[in-house]
Formats: sequence, structure tokens, C-alpha cells
Amino acid sequence: DTAVSQTPKYLVTQMGNDKSIKCEQNLGHDTMYWYKQDSKKFLKIMFSYNNKELIINETVPNRFSPKSPDKAHLNLHINSLELGDSAVYFCASSQAPGVGGTEAFFGQGTRLTVV
Amino acid sequence: KNQVEQSPQSLIILEGKNCTLQCNYTVSPFSNLRWYKQDTGRGPVSLTIMTFSENTKSNGRYTATLDADTKQSSLHITASQLSDSASYICVVSASGFQKLVFGTGTRLLVSP
Repeated sequence: DTAVSQTPKYLVTQMGNDKSIKCEQNLGHDTMYWYKQDSKKFLKIMFSYNNKELIINETVPNRFSPKSPDKAHLNLHINSLELGDSAVYFCASSQAPGVGGTEAFFGQGTRLTVV
Repeated sequence: KNQVEQSPQSLIILEGKNCTLQCNYTVSPFSNLRWYKQDTGRGPVSLTIMTFSENTKSNGRYTATLDADTKQSSLHITASQLSDSASYICVVSASGFQKLVFGTGTRLLVSP
């Protein structure tokens, strides 16, 4: 069983389209995250949810809208896709936010290519 | 500004050799430091987690050290294997914050 699973693994779409990436974790964790890894392999946090509530919202265009229907799922919807949105998006989960020593478990990533 | 810098950016070593990766951070106040391994096309996987009071921690052939005074950490890999080829990312967590500061990683290639 995959602990943190994302779909799709690859996504190629045209500029201006709207797309969604789904994430599910079966670890029973309370906190889920979305990270963006750019071409330089630098991971930056985008959003964090704790028990379906938004707790971190970094400076991300409002074209990006996370949705957490329950604490095991955190989906990312992107409107009006732009070329600069091309990146690998990672979903992660952890037991609790901000707890010392808490480990984040990552999904395999979704490689988004906007053409 | 909270930053995590890693060196070298990339490294090629022969199978069976040892290597050491470096991580310097300016994250404050410090909570803990993690080393992650990221295989190509996969998400990062935690290797070690170290808190302020820990100087060294091992996980098989991986040994991490932490000097909280100089704000430096290292990851030593012993008797490297081809499967060690990956990116190694140093991640620091600040106390009271709920996000992690990621380094840009060291890309290691173990050559036969």
C-alpha cells in the first residue's frame, strides 16, 4: 500500500486550461502539504492543511486552490495554467504540524508540463 | 532570512568509496534537521532526523552529524552502492513554525 499517493503522475496541458491534482494518504496523519519543486530542484511549500483546515498559505497565485474534503485527502486545483507553473508538485503528510522531529512522508510527485 | 545551503552541488564517486555531504543553515530558532534522499522521479524519503541535542545519528551506511553551534551538518555515506545515486536534501525546521526550509540538494552519482 502506498502511504501517500498522487494522481496523475504526469500531466501535460495547454496554457489557459484548468487542471486538478489529487492526493490521498492512508497513514492516519492530521496534516497534509503541497510542495512545488522547480527546475533547480528547490522544494517550496505552497499550502498546509491540518484536519481539513488551512494553516499555511504561502505567497501563491490565487489560481491555485487547495481543497481538503477530509483529512486523508488534499487536492490541488489550478486555474488558467501558465508556462511558469511547469514543475513537479509533491504532496506530503505528517502526524502533526510544527512538532519537533515530525517526519513528512512524500508522494511520488506529479510532473506538470504546461505547453 | 532562513536559508539552507548544501555542498557540493553534485558529486561523482566510485562504488565502494565513502563520501561526505555538507549542509549549512541559518534557520533560527532551530528545531530539528533532517536529511532526505530523493531518487529520480520519486518523492523525498527521510534518512535521519536530528534535534538540537543530538550530535550524530546513524541509519545503516548513512551517518549524520550536527554542530548546532556552527550551524553545520554533514551526511557521511560509507561503502557507497549504485543505489545510493540520488539527490540528498538537507531540511531544517524552525521552532514555532509549521514549515520546513529545504536546501537545494546534492546530486550524488555512484559509478561502477
